[in-house]
Amino acid sequence: ETGVTQSPTHLIKTRGQQVTLRCSSQSGHNTVSWYQQALGQGPQFIFQYYREEENGRGNFPPRFSGLQFPNYSSELNVNALELDDSALYLCASSARQGVEDTQYFGPGTRLTVL
Amino acid sequence: ELKVEQNPLFLSMQEGKNYTIYCNYSTTSDRLYWYRQDPGKSLESLFVLLSNGAVKQEGRLMASLDTKARLSTLHITAAVHDLSATYFCAVVQNDMRFGAGTRLTVKP
Repeated sequence: ETGVTQSPTHLIKTRGQQVTLRCSSQSGHNTVSWYQQALGQGPQFIFQYYREEENGRGNFPPRFSGLQFPNYSSELNVNALELDDSALYLCASSARQGVEDTQYFGPGTRLTVL
Repeated sequence: ELKVEQNPLFLSMQEGKNYTIYCNYSTTSDRLYWYRQDPGKSLESLFVLLSNGAVKQEGRLMASLDTKARLSTLHITAAVHDLSATYFCAVVQNDMRFGAGTRLTVKP
């Protein structure tokens, strides 16, 4: 069984640029959630995708967007990067729709915005 | 709005001692998670508590849930160095809300 994988592991961007982060869900899982974890804080829910549709969104602006593909892998896109976007971005997959099901987290992508 | 508060935020304890981490949340929820995070690493699921009075134990860690008091506890028994990590509770309402985390350091 393959766990959740994310790429890249680290990324450095400058303010105003755009970034795409990628996540492959665990085998058999059809739901992917994305979280932002700032240094020293708990993760914050960005949004969730279930069967290629957005299925819930946290308090993040529209410049945070995502996609889910037929194989249930997912992308997180962030436009017009700001310094405060520097964080660890985690994706988590689960077997069912909704956030109630146990989520399995990937290793994360560390984004630094200069 | 759902708020999740953990305390303490920092905990330094001696090996062999016992201690409890507390997780309070502000609105009704009957599902609570505990996660562990090592420095620079992702989150590892420890426990899922699904109902009032639920208690789960794994090794030196025991978690409980009181939905009426909106309180979960994570009890550490006879701490060992390997338990040093940050522990998060998370509560589900419309989304999953995490506490700020408790950074645990176990000293010899």
